[in-house]
Amino acid sequence: DSGVTQTPKHLITATGQRVTLRCSPRSGDLSVYWYQQSLDQGLQFLIQYYNGEERAKGNILERFSAQQFPDLHSELNLSSLELGDSALYFCASSAPGFRGTGEKLFFGSGTQLSVL
Amino acid sequence: EDQVTQSPEALRLQEGESSSLNCSYTVSGLRGLFWYRQDPGKGPEFLFTLYSAGEEKEKERLKATLTKKESFLHITAPKPEDSATYLCAALGSGTYKYIFGTGTRLKVLA
Repeated sequence: DSGVTQTPKHLITATGQRVTLRCSPRSGDLSVYWYQQSLDQGLQFLIQYYNGEERAKGNILERFSAQQFPDLHSELNLSSLELGDSALYFCASSAPGFRGTGEKLFFGSGTQLSVL
Repeated sequence: EDQVTQSPEALRLQEGESSSLNCSYTVSGLRGLFWYRQDPGKGPEFLFTLYSAGEEKEKERLKATLTKKESFLHITAPKPEDSATYLCAALGSGTYKYIFGTGTRLKVLA
């Protein structure tokens, strides 16, 4: 168990709909990362938050948005869903790096999104 | 642009047959090279972090090494339970984006 909790585990919805994915980081971790994993593209970085503030943005579509709340949990909102949005969505958290080095990511078990 | 490339895409080994997985990276000012193991339907699980060329880390049958352009994950005498997808990721300077490779799918046959 990584200590990162993601809900729900599975989501089945229709095109055009909106869904919210939730993530609770490990206790004490201030950073939350969102990744999308599809069979043909691997793990694609979407967005990162640190202590409530957006810190880095990847190839996140305008239809997608995220936020990190004061209790450090994060939500990823996906709207106007398309068939191509079907994927595994992972949340990860990390502790602050020491002397500027990168710290390992702890991943949740993911949310499998199926858009029909 | 930061990039991570892994090879081979897939690898089948007999139990006990040692091999190596390759991760080539292009990042400015490497702040860390990470190896993860991912089982089907699960999140990646951390294995190793390497920070500088020449560094090596070991854990059971796995050993990770790092040069200025590549990292290798050596698997010695693998067992069927080592079957998984192995991912590497790199973090460059001035960024918080961990760039992942597409992974190597390893299958170890009994």
